[in-house]
Amino acid sequence: EPEVTQTPSHQVTQMGQEVILRCVPISNHLYFYWYRQILGQKVEFLVSFYNNEISEKSEIFDDQFSVERPDGSNFTLKIRSTKLEDSAMYFCASSSGTLYNQPQHFGDGTRLSIL
Amino acid sequence: AQKVTQAQTEISVVEKEDVTLDCVYETRDTTYYLFWYKQPPSGELVFLIRRNSFDEQNEISGRYSWNFQKSTSSFNFTITASQVVDSAVYFCALTDSGNTPLVFGKGTRLSVIA
Repeated sequence: EPEVTQTPSHQVTQMGQEVILRCVPISNHLYFYWYRQILGQKVEFLVSFYNNEISEKSEIFDDQFSVERPDGSNFTLKIRSTKLEDSAMYFCASSSGTLYNQPQHFGDGTRLSIL
Repeated sequence: AQKVTQAQTEISVVEKEDVTLDCVYETRDTTYYLFWYKQPPSGELVFLIRRNSFDEQNEISGRYSWNFQKSTSSFNFTITASQVVDSAVYFCALTDSGNTPLVFGKGTRLSVIA
């Protein structure tokens, strides 16, 4: 069964450094998402992406964050200058975008640790 | 604004017991979708079920069953004859029609003890 893949599974970065989290959505999906889960808390929406542009973003998704679909397969989340509070599990998700709201399929996540 | 409440933070049961995880939601939309996801200790999110607001039929899948009641804005999840492998955090989530973002509850941590 096709799946969303995320790399790396764990990223350790010094505070203030830039980090890029990578995702390969399911190949025929059209909508892409990033969510964040701080340890022990709920999953929170960051941003959605459709037709090569951001379709919606939350208040968490401030100027330090950006997303890109650099080619036909990858979907990346960049954090420009990481802060301690960016430590979290980051999930990528994709959905097919068909009429009946197919479920969002999630990757296994990238655990980001900021030191 | 949409909201999902999972009042049970943690539940602990002995293997083979039945357990029900509660989910109460708030939305002003007449069309919406409800989901349950499982997050095992390894951390990934596993899709379990989607239910749209027009379909109030209860669903059973093996040991899992879901009870959707619009009158009480609830979408509860029951595991029958629980097993140790069911130990995980379970999230209920809500979205309106289209491909809008999911709003998650805070999750319920289920521990099944052998």
